Amino acid sequence: DAGVTQSPTHLIKTRGQQVTLRCSPKSGHDTVSWYQQALGQGPQFIFQYYEEEERQRGNFPDRFSGHQFPNYSSELNVNALLLGDSALYLCATRKTGGLYNEQFFGPGTRLTVL
Amino acid sequence: EDKVVQSPLSLVVHEGDTVTLNCSYEVTNFRSLLWYKQEKKAPTFLFMLTSSGIEKKSGRLSSILDKKELFSILNITATQTGDSAVYLCAVEAGLGAAGNKLTFGGGTRVLVKP
Repeated sequence: DAGVTQSPTHLIKTRGQQVTLRCSPKSGHDTVSWYQQALGQGPQFIFQYYEEEERQRGNFPDRFSGHQFPNYSSELNVNALLLGDSALYLCATRKTGGLYNEQFFGPGTRLTVL
Repeated sequence: EDKVVQSPLSLVVHEGDTVTLNCSYEVTNFRSLLWYKQEKKAPTFLFMLTSSGIEKKSGRLSSILDKKELFSILNITATQTGDSAVYLCAVEAGLGAAGNKLTFGGGTRVLVKP
């Protein structure tokens, strides 16, 4: 079992560009949550997907959007990048209705916006 | 808006010392409180607490929840250099497991010196 995987591991973009980050869930997991972790801060909840729909959303602008595919993998898209979008982006997966102690985090994608 | 605050922000101790980390919260529809350890990228799960006054232990780590005063503490005894990490507190809140979300605190950075 590969656990939760994310790609790419690192990414450098310039302001105004668009970026797509990917997450493959742990085997048996169907719920994917995305978090943004700025340097020196705790993770901030972006949104959660299951059954290919966005179910919950944190306080992030519409520039942040996502998608979940039939195989439960997910993408996070960020448009019109700002310097403040530089952060570690974490995805976490679990079974729908499962307890959060059964949620696993991926290794993250480090996004740098210049 | 759900809020989780951790203290101290950081601390430096020597091997063998005991550390106590604090987490206070204000959330609507509390479900559980979780502690994570983050060394490089992916947070790893330590404890999940749902009931007041019941201590959870794992080796040199222990944690307890006070739902009346809305806080939790994480203790690490006989610290080792391998305990150096950021410790994150997160609170699960919501009306149903599928619709719940995690709110993280800012973390406490612990450095254990030899």
